Amino acid sequence: DIQMTQSPSSLSASVGDRVTITCRASQGISNYLAWYQQKPGKVPKLLIYGASTLQSGVPSRFSGSGSGTDFTLTISSLQPEDVATYFCHKYNSAPPLFSFGPGTKVDI
Amino acid sequence: EVQLVESGGGLVQPGRSLRLSCAASGFSFEDYAMHWVRQAPGKGLEWVSGISWNSVNLAYADSVKGRFTISRDNAKNSLDLQMNSLTAEDTAFYYCAKLRSKELSAAINYWGQGTLVTVSS
Repeated sequence: DIQMTQSPSSLSASVGDRVTITCRASQGISNYLAWYQQKPGKVPKLLIYGASTLQSGVPSRFSGSGSGTDFTLTISSLQPEDVATYFCHKYNSAPPLFSFGPGTKVDI
Repeated sequence: EVQLVESGGGLVQPGRSLRLSCAASGFSFEDYAMHWVRQAPGKGLEWVSGISWNSVNLAYADSVKGRFTISRDNAKNSLDLQMNSLTAEDTAFYYCAKLRSKELSAAINYWGQGTLVTVSS
């Protein structure tokens, strides 16, 4: 089965900092990867799909990259409203199906 | 505006059953695959089950296979999750989620607000 890991599990940064979150798959998943943002008490929100395609309406300070096993979510200039937990999500059909990473909590 | 409204959650005893429903509106429901995703309070996201646009492709997490059944009624714009033999480990918020595609290998672009299922005696 493909295992999804994220690092770090949490981070604290300052407003304006560049923040990078990594997601790793134990086997290649091509670009079948999405990133979601979940603010406290809210439902998840799609940021990135296809590893690097920005969802409509998402600020351009968010970007995604990677393919195969290693993926990155970057926030180019952290804003106060970006405090949230970020999850990666694989959605290819290899087992375990459609699993999520454990999440990265971002604080300021 | 896409809306996904879950219902059917509540307190249930271990071993009993519960049926969740999701009412969809604001998009052409029959053209998109759907998922159920759950989240235990304070924990991460766990994919539970998925169904393609035409109900041909169904998928389940190993943790619920054989106990949960997903179904949809495109005429009624509704998605259901029948949950049997519930255990404490099934306690979570259950989210109805719309995919970006007819088939299951796609990202989720909309989430419902969730319904809480609590399994306890």
